[in-house]
Amino acid sequence: GENVEQHPSTLSVQEGDSAVIKCTYSDSASNYFPWYKQELGKGPQLIIDIRSNVGEKKDQRIAVTLNKTAKHFSLHITETQPEDSAVYFCAARGAGRRALTFGSGTRLQVQP
Amino acid sequence: DAGITQSPRHKVTETGTPVTLRCHQTENHRYMYWYRQDPGHGLRLIHYSYGVKDTDKGEVSDGYSVSRSKTEDFLLTLESATSSQTSVYFCAISVGGQGLNTEAFFGQGTRLTVV
Repeated sequence: GENVEQHPSTLSVQEGDSAVIKCTYSDSASNYFPWYKQELGKGPQLIIDIRSNVGEKKDQRIAVTLNKTAKHFSLHITETQPEDSAVYFCAARGAGRRALTFGSGTRLQVQP
Repeated sequence: DAGITQSPRHKVTETGTPVTLRCHQTENHRYMYWYRQDPGHGLRLIHYSYGVKDTDKGEVSDGYSVSRSKTEDFLLTLESATSSQTSVYFCAISVGGQGLNTEAFFGQGTRLTVV
């Protein structure tokens, strides 16, 4: 089955700096890669996703890049703000599979 | 929250007792999922459903059963709760199409403690 590894497990940045979280996946047939943000006491919230026919996708301060050859994808947050502080999860879904496999999460702390 | 309601939100139960968690959706989505979340493990799939009475196992299904008698409700049952099942449980739905390559949205979670 699919295996997703996520790094780093914790990340602390100063407000206004950029943050990058990286994930690798094992199943070369995986073709859907979402990112979730989870705030304390809440369920994961989808913030951006990318499909395997696209190399990069951007939504305001958030971008995701995908390298299918290397089987890794990354979340980039620019101009970080204190409200970006949360746990972020990457996930992957293989072709023909019905559920997501998640990374172990990154706790991002943005220092004011 | 894509119209997902989980109940209860918190529960404490004793080892060996049965427990049922409920996920209710209001938007008639076909695909529903149960995940558990534990520190250091992200979210792991327990069971999922692709229609009324159609369910399948995920990667951590031992000790759990599910039922879906109506489109809107997906129940997760711990037949005999153990301390290792202390966790936060999330229900999710897939929006659109065949459930493949479609966005998944999560409920608010149920915190279960087995003592």
